[in-house]
Amino acid sequence: SAVISQKPSRDICQRGTSLTIQCQVDSQVTMMFWYRQQPGQSLTLIATANQGSEATYESGFVIDKFPISRPNLTFSTLTVSNMSPEDSSIYLCSVRIPGRGSYEQYFGPGTRLTVT
Amino acid sequence: AQSVTQPDIHITVSEGASLELRCNYSYGATPYLFWYVQSPGQGLQLLLKYFSGDTLVQGIKGFEAEFKRSQSSFNLRKPSVHWSDAAEYFCAVGVSHGNEKLTFGTGTRLTIIP
Repeated sequence: SAVISQKPSRDICQRGTSLTIQCQVDSQVTMMFWYRQQPGQSLTLIATANQGSEATYESGFVIDKFPISRPNLTFSTLTVSNMSPEDSSIYLCSVRIPGRGSYEQYFGPGTRLTVT
Repeated sequence: AQSVTQPDIHITVSEGASLELRCNYSYGATPYLFWYVQSPGQGLQLLLKYFSGDTLVQGIKGFEAEFKRSQSSFNLRKPSVHWSDAAEYFCAVGVSHGNEKLTFGTGTRLTIIP
């Protein structure tokens, strides 16, 4: 499997501000995913980020609120814009490892965001 | 659309006892099935997966799961739990739409008592 890191690991932010979360992988991957895990809840997919193309957002998530960059095959960022307390969640990135089975994803440690 | 149900929100078992966590999916064809574990403050770790073939799959940490098509189930089992198994367990399904997306269940929180 790959080693996936996220920065920051946690942050406390004021409402109305924005936070950019970084996801770094130690090998080249085509597909990266961003998830949100609200307190006590399961994971919800925000978007799929493939290198060289625009991110594909799931229903209920929009680019203006969650802009994503994917500049190369080992890195992606997710920005949470104009934050409100409802954005307090754990944000996780995951990757699909080439050569592994279909749909098999590996996750980063997550970024715990608290909005006050 | 596919869905995943984990009927048990919270399970408590004694250390050394056996464990079974339930997972049911809704999809017409055979899906890709996964179990992940999330320890407190951690990301998700892949325990095991089912794609095809032998319906009993072995994973890490002594876990196994059995795919039962007739019951649309993929239950996770362990013969003897350890205190370190206390965590949140998520079942996930991927279906063959080519988009590689996973749908996660709501999770089961496992508590181990001495």
